[in-house]
Amino acid sequence: NAGVTQTPKFRILKIGQSMTLQCTQDMNHNYMYWYRQDPGMGLKLIYYSVGAGITDKGEVPNGYNVSRSTTEDFPLRLELAAPSQTSVYFCASSSRPNSPLHFGNGTRLTVT
Amino acid sequence: DQQVKQNSPSLSVQEGRISILNCDYTNSMFDYFLWYKKYPAEGPTFLISISSIKDKNEDGRFTVFLNKSAKHLSLHIVPSQPGDSAVYFCAARNTDKLIFGTGTRLQVFP
Repeated sequence: NAGVTQTPKFRILKIGQSMTLQCTQDMNHNYMYWYRQDPGMGLKLIYYSVGAGITDKGEVPNGYNVSRSTTEDFPLRLELAAPSQTSVYFCASSSRPNSPLHFGNGTRLTVT
Repeated sequence: DQQVKQNSPSLSVQEGRISILNCDYTNSMFDYFLWYKKYPAEGPTFLISISSIKDKNEDGRFTVFLNKSAKHLSLHIVPSQPGDSAVYFCAARNTDKLIFGTGTRLQVFP
């Protein structure tokens, strides 16, 4: 089992560029999440989804968009990259609300 | 507005001793608490959890204690081992969302 797979592992963007961070899971989990981790700030929830076709905002959604057309995939879109979006992004999934999250290994994004 | 707080950014413990990591929360609606461990360049991995209806949960060397009246939970690692050196995050669940603390870096030295 691959678990949760994130691509790319690293990316450098110029201010104003756009990109999509990919996340896919092979555990048939309904719940999927995007977090960002800034130094000394822990993990902040950006968006989450409780199933295909359903998404909702987390703590820090501004500047991001998501979609959930399939159970397996939960891409995160940055439309106009800003230096404040420099961070490490983690995707996670779980089978139920009270189940532990399974995390991917992260995408390190730098915006300059 | 940090709902889950880990006030100690780092902790250093000798091998074989007890490590105690603390976490405080502000939202009384949280009903499920978890601890995650994170190594560099990897995603967090689940360690142990506790429901709000319990006050203790034990799994091998790891024990989590929950004090609801104080809105405080702690993770005890006994005995500590060098492989336990990592960043530990506590997390709390409210409906479908999991809110994380800022993390505590544990270093276990020989």
